[in-house]
Amino acid sequence: DTGVSQDPRHKITKRGQNVTFRCDPISEHNRLYWYRQTLGQGPEFLTYFQNEAQLEKSRLLSDRFSAERPKGSFSTLEIQRTEQGDSAMYLCASTRIIGSNEKLFFGSGTQLSVL
Amino acid sequence: KQEVTQIPAALSVPEGENLVLNCSFTDSAIYNLQWFRQDPGKGLTSLLLIQSSQREQTSGRLNASLDKSSGRSTLYIAASQPGDSATYLCAVISGGYQKVTFGTGTKLQVIP
Repeated sequence: DTGVSQDPRHKITKRGQNVTFRCDPISEHNRLYWYRQTLGQGPEFLTYFQNEAQLEKSRLLSDRFSAERPKGSFSTLEIQRTEQGDSAMYLCASTRIIGSNEKLFFGSGTQLSVL
Repeated sequence: KQEVTQIPAALSVPEGENLVLNCSFTDSAIYNLQWFRQDPGKGLTSLLLIQSSQREQTSGRLNASLDKSSGRSTLYIAASQPGDSATYLCAVISGGYQKVTFGTGTKLQVIP
């Protein structure tokens, strides 16, 4: 158990529907990342937060995607008007930026299937 | 832009064999490098973290090395076991954790 929780583990939705995923990082971690991973590929960066501030967004994150981290605790990733190409594993990771030996910890991911 | 390559993409070995997984990166100005294991349909489990000032790290049967000047890291697995079967990913961390770039992974199968 890495301590990073993601919910739900699996989500099946119809094209055009909106979906929201939640990530609860390890409590003292101030940095939170979202990644997307498709079969046979490494995780691709989507966005990251330092506390509650969203510091960077990938160009992969179209205007249908939005992420929040209110109060610098849990984070949500919403996809509006889902498309079949959004089907992927969505991974959340967190770390604590206070030194140079801090590891990234990942959650178990949310597997999204868009029908 | 940092690019990370892992070779081979897949590897099948008999149980008990020692093996080496490779990770290459194009920008040597890295902060840390972290090796992960991923089981099918699961998240990533951290194996080893090497800071940019370090040359290697060891944990049990695993040993990871880092050569920044040549842009390479290797993960050595001793006496492989069927339970080691998984995909192994390296992540290159740059700019104080502002950039984390993953390779595409090496899928390892250890045959009993």
